[in-house]
Amino acid sequence: GAVVSQHPSWVICKSGTSVKIECRSLDFQATTMFWYRQFPKQSLMLMATSNEGSKATYEQGVEKDKFLINHASLTLSTLTVTSAHPEDSSFYICSATVAGRREQYFGPGTRLTVT
Amino acid sequence: AQSVTQLGSHVSVSEGALVLLRCNYSSSVPPYLFWYVQYPNQGLQLLLKYTSAATLVKGINGFEAEFKKSETSFHLTKPSAHMSDAAEYFCAVSEGFSGGYNKLIFGAGTRLAVHP
Repeated sequence: GAVVSQHPSWVICKSGTSVKIECRSLDFQATTMFWYRQFPKQSLMLMATSNEGSKATYEQGVEKDKFLINHASLTLSTLTVTSAHPEDSSFYICSATVAGRREQYFGPGTRLTVT
Repeated sequence: AQSVTQLGSHVSVSEGALVLLRCNYSSSVPPYLFWYVQYPNQGLQLLLKYTSAATLVKGINGFEAEFKKSETSFHLTKPSAHMSDAAEYFCAVSEGFSGGYNKLIFGAGTRLAVHP
């Protein structure tokens, strides 16, 4: 149980274009989803937290207009990287949790490469 | 505020040897602690968690961790390393519920190498 999927697993896009990453909880309803960014050989950096039906809460230093997050349902959250640039290339990981639980269930990650 | 320190960014052991990955935490409230494992190009998998019940927590793949309040530690151990244990390990502390949800604070990670 508690399976989280991400799509796509990897994506290459050209500089200036936008790319959307989906995060789904497959066998549970996720009240909250988190988006992380991970640089090579580094820990996870929390970008934002999203609750179903409400606006995402972004961490300090994360550009809201660049990283658009939508949590349309209890099983789906999306991260859209707008006007992507090479410095946005990274490994993006989502996680989901259920109300009242402290552990987070992680997706397999999405490798984004901007050329 | 909560924080996590993982001592040793790289740990190398022989196959069959004891694995010890160190984690110290700082928390102003009774902590909830987690160990996650990450294999290359994959997400994180929960190994085990401490939620204020038993101080010795058993997880998957033969791993266990002991919560020591006096030492503010939550070290991860496995009696006998296997080649498949080679991965990145992250210790995390729960920040507590705020705004209805709970954030995790991650340590920097420890890369475990297992050699024959």
